[in-house]
Amino acid sequence: KQEVTQIPAALSVPEGENLVLNCSFTDSAIYNLQWFRQDPGKGLTSLLLIQSSQREQTSGRLNASLDKSSGRSTLYIAASQPGDSATYLCAVDAGKSTFGDGTTLTVKP
Amino acid sequence: NAGVTQTPKFQVLKTGQSMTLQCAQDMNHNSMYWYRQDPGMGLRLIYYSASEGTTDKGEVPNGYNVSRLNKREFSLRLESAAPSQTSVYFCASKWGGANQPQHFGDGTRLSIL
Repeated sequence: KQEVTQIPAALSVPEGENLVLNCSFTDSAIYNLQWFRQDPGKGLTSLLLIQSSQREQTSGRLNASLDKSSGRSTLYIAASQPGDSATYLCAVDAGKSTFGDGTTLTVKP
Repeated sequence: NAGVTQTPKFQVLKTGQSMTLQCAQDMNHNSMYWYRQDPGMGLRLIYYSASEGTTDKGEVPNGYNVSRLNKREFSLRLESAAPSQTSVYFCASKWGGANQPQHFGDGTRLSIL
């Protein structure tokens, strides 16, 4: 059974700092890995999707990497802003999606 | 463009009552999903529909039924609600295929007393 772990569970940083969120998974037989953002009381917003054949994807200040052989993905956020405060979830898709519990990020002004 | 719309947004039920959660998407997506989100347990798949006319069980299907009414709509029914079904329920959709992103609704917050 696929297991997805996100460390740390919570992270607090000052505005402007670069940061990395981690996602690990146990079964490397995946189609893709997707990073989401969830604001309190809201649904999930897709940030980036990395196909299994890809190593990374970039969107603005976000860069996601995938190392399928080691079962790891990272989400890099450059020059963090208070508006980046949210919970970030990763999900691995092997036909059905398995989600991590998320990392709650707080960016302090 | 509304995306994925879920109704109702909030609901309180008594144990044993039944209700149907509604989900509709306007993106012409083929696949639709129902998840529940509980603290410390992440999102778990309840049921999904890979295409119109098909439904399949996910990780936690017990106590639920689904109907893919047409390509746009996918409903989730609780026949006899139990306190263990208190959760936030999310509907999602995607085009289908291995490398398409899922799009989520804003959720239904369900409390069962």
